Amino acid sequence: QQQVKQSPQSLIVQKGGISIINCAYENTAFDYFPWYQQFPGKGPALLIAIRPDVSEKKEGRFTISFNKSAKQFSLHIMDSQPGDSATYFCAASNSFNKFYFGSGTKLNVKP
Amino acid sequence: GAGVSQSPSNKVTEKGKDVELRCDPISGHTALYWYRQSLGQGLEFLIYFQGNSAPDKSGLPSDRFSAERTGGSVSTLTIQRTQQEDSAVYLCASARDKREVHEQYFGPGTRLTVT
Repeated sequence: QQQVKQSPQSLIVQKGGISIINCAYENTAFDYFPWYQQFPGKGPALLIAIRPDVSEKKEGRFTISFNKSAKQFSLHIMDSQPGDSATYFCAASNSFNKFYFGSGTKLNVKP
Repeated sequence: GAGVSQSPSNKVTEKGKDVELRCDPISGHTALYWYRQSLGQGLEFLIYFQGNSAPDKSGLPSDRFSAERTGGSVSTLTIQRTQQEDSAVYLCASARDKREVHEQYFGPGTRLTVT
């Protein structure tokens, strides 16, 4: 059973546009929700993360929106740039034990 | 400073052979994870080491998979009698300690192809 469901599988956005990637989870014990960015041939790198006691966290052009009641969280990339083209993974964990990853979203930002 | 390194970067092996994948974590990091990333899939947890504690092996898919961590540093993931479904990228990550395990630093991975 997939613990974290991620959509869409792929996304094409024009430069300057907003990229939105969504994730949903079932386990209410999850208490940490990170997003990772992965470029081809590289390992994932932590981008931004949120805990369930806040509804939004912003770091530069990247924002996580968290809806605890709906068990959903999303990544918003404002003013998307071609350099943002990568695969993005959401994840969830319970007290920093095992991490459960979404299936990934391949983002392509067109110049 | 040096990040997490993995070797080899690519490995092609014949079905039925054994393979060993190596991970060198960041110096001083006590937590070490192995993940498997199949094509078009997310990361699948395999095994977790934390200091001198017994490893969490709950993600290993079969008894053909094993891992060890010597001296609390370098880790080796061994796959015995490889099968074609073992083909994937194997990623290693390390973190300073369990409380900071969310700040995982990933290596570049080993791409394993079983023919």
